[in-house]
Amino acid sequence: GAVVSQHPSRVICKSGTSVKIECRSLDFQATTMFWYRQFPKQSLMLMATSNEGSKATYEQGVEKDKFLINHASLTLSTLTVTSAHPEDSSFYICSASRQGARYGYTFGSGTRLTVV
Amino acid sequence: EDKVVQSPLSLVVHEGDTVTLNCSYEVTNFRSLLWYKQEKKAPTFLFMLTSSGIEKKSGRLSSILDKKELFSILNITATQTGDSAVYLCAGYSGTYKYIFGTGTRLKVLA
Repeated sequence: GAVVSQHPSRVICKSGTSVKIECRSLDFQATTMFWYRQFPKQSLMLMATSNEGSKATYEQGVEKDKFLINHASLTLSTLTVTSAHPEDSSFYICSASRQGARYGYTFGSGTRLTVV
Repeated sequence: EDKVVQSPLSLVVHEGDTVTLNCSYEVTNFRSLLWYKQEKKAPTFLFMLTSSGIEKKSGRLSSILDKKELFSILNITATQTGDSAVYLCAGYSGTYKYIFGTGTRLKVLA
């Protein structure tokens, strides 16, 4: 149980275009989802926290207009990287927590974004 | 199907004890195994292991990978209350995927 599916696993896009990444909880309702950015051999940097039905809470330094987060249902959150630039190239990982879960977070498998 | 299994799920020890956390993996086109410590929302990177049998150390923490038996262990010696956290391991595959385990929740009592 407690599976989080993240798609796509890899995307290459042209500079200036937008990319949408989906994070789905397959067998539980995720009241809260988190979006991270991962750099090689580094900690996951929390970008934002999204709660179903409300606006996402962004961490300091993360542009909310650039990284649009939607958490429209208890099983789906999306991250849209708008007007992507090469410096946005990175791994993006989501995780989900469910109400009452004893062991916390379930992570998606990540999306590797390359902006050319 | 790719999967990473961690054991135990939770562990309670006293300060000064030594703990060993286990991580077994089945990851397509395996490239590396990563360990993280999660105290709040975002996991903190600990180690990345790519080669079998080479121990990596950082203070009281050490980790080693066995690519033949497909597992890794994370050791923490002389535990302190500040070590209390969830420890995650993740396998990274050549198909650009991270497969996270469910984590081991460690609680260190004073």
